[in-house]
Amino acid sequence: GENVGLHLPTLSVQEGDNSIINCAYSNSASDYFIWYKQESGKGPQFIIDIRSNMDKRQGQRVTVLLNKTVKHLSLQIAATQPGDSAVYFCAENGLSTGGFKTIFGAGTRLFVKA
Amino acid sequence: DTEVTQTPKHLVMGMTNKKSLKCEQHMGHRAMYWYKQKAKKPPELMFVYSYEKLSINESVPSRFSPECPNSSLLNLHLHALQPEDSALYLCASSPDPWGEQYFGPGTRLTVT
Repeated sequence: GENVGLHLPTLSVQEGDNSIINCAYSNSASDYFIWYKQESGKGPQFIIDIRSNMDKRQGQRVTVLLNKTVKHLSLQIAATQPGDSAVYFCAENGLSTGGFKTIFGAGTRLFVKA
Repeated sequence: DTEVTQTPKHLVMGMTNKKSLKCEQHMGHRAMYWYKQKAKKPPELMFVYSYEKLSINESVPSRFSPECPNSSLLNLHLHALQPEDSALYLCASSPDPWGEQYFGPGTRLTVT
């Protein structure tokens, strides 16, 4: 079946430390992966994406790593700030039963301690 | 204009009511989406419109009826909902089908 899930439901880090949020997926046909950040009372916000022909992509303070061999995705946030506190979702886009779909993982809540 | 707007922000309706949720984007995006999100859960895809045509219907009950009047607007018509339909309803759009999605703030729906 299809599953996009996370290993850690909550993560607490000290301000200034690096954060790593993990995600597992099971649909080998997925070819596009996205990380979203959702703050309380808001809709998800696009952070960074990666295509299946890449294994690493960097943005401003964020890096996404894709390991297709073990179907694993991670989001690294450098120098975590209080404003990074939110729920982070990985999502996969790909062909599945019924057509192309976007499937979200369960989410990880990130707490940043000042 | 680089945002997706949704109205209303909050909606309380009885099980016999008919109401509509509205979504609008002026970014020229050609795909629009409806998601349902329960508390502490990820968004669940309900419908996808691609180039104003319904392309995905995730076996959503018929009491939810989507409509895409034009490329900028997306509606979700609600009728005879159940209390378990209470949730945050999110609209999103993407430049092309299955690209990165831009979400609105959602409509918080309560069915009494």
